[in-house]
Amino acid sequence: GQNIDQPTEMTATEGAIVQINCTYQTSGFNGLFWYQQHAGEAPTFLSYNVLDGLEEKGRFSSFLSRSKGYSYLLLKELQMKDSASYLCAVKDSNYQLIWGAGTKLIIKP
Amino acid sequence: DAMVIQNPRYQVTQFGKPVTLSCSQTLNHNVMYWYQQKSSQAPKLLFHYYDKDFNNEADTPDNFQSRRPNTSFCFLDIRSPGLGDAAMYLCATSDFPRGAETQYFGPGTRLLVL
Repeated sequence: GQNIDQPTEMTATEGAIVQINCTYQTSGFNGLFWYQQHAGEAPTFLSYNVLDGLEEKGRFSSFLSRSKGYSYLLLKELQMKDSASYLCAVKDSNYQLIWGAGTKLIIKP
Repeated sequence: DAMVIQNPRYQVTQFGKPVTLSCSQTLNHNVMYWYQQKSSQAPKLLFHYYDKDFNNEADTPDNFQSRRPNTSFCFLDIRSPGLGDAAMYLCATSDFPRGAETQYFGPGTRLLVL
């Protein structure tokens, strides 16, 4: 079966750095997405990786290793507004998007 | 601004009473999706349209139907809502050709079944 694993919940301090990991086992790979979802709201697109390496976009960076079936989302200079769930999703060989259940990130002052 | 719009944002219905949720987009994307998301769970794809081609997920209950009368609009019909259908319903769009095909979401409709 296809599976996306990410931690259920993480806690970090305002101003610090946090890394949210995602591992996947899917039938084929056509890219990995990270989305942010605030409570009661829709997911918003953060990043897309299809090649190995690090993609940096402001305070957020996303890394991919296809050989390891692994990605992480790195958030720097954490702000209270970063408190949200972060969802990892992989597009498989049929271009279907397989979603993880999300990591709830709690930021403390 | 180009966007995905969902109405209503909150919908209350009675057990067994049909309900329709609507989605519209100004992005001119050719693919539209309907997801169901329950608390602390991954979004679950119900169906999607590539242009007018309808694609139903194998495990989507028959109770759920969809219509896409034109590029801009898509509807989700729940014929006889049960208590287990209470959830957030998310509409998303993406653009062909296949590749990144980032999905852009509307704000969602939260459905409550009494």
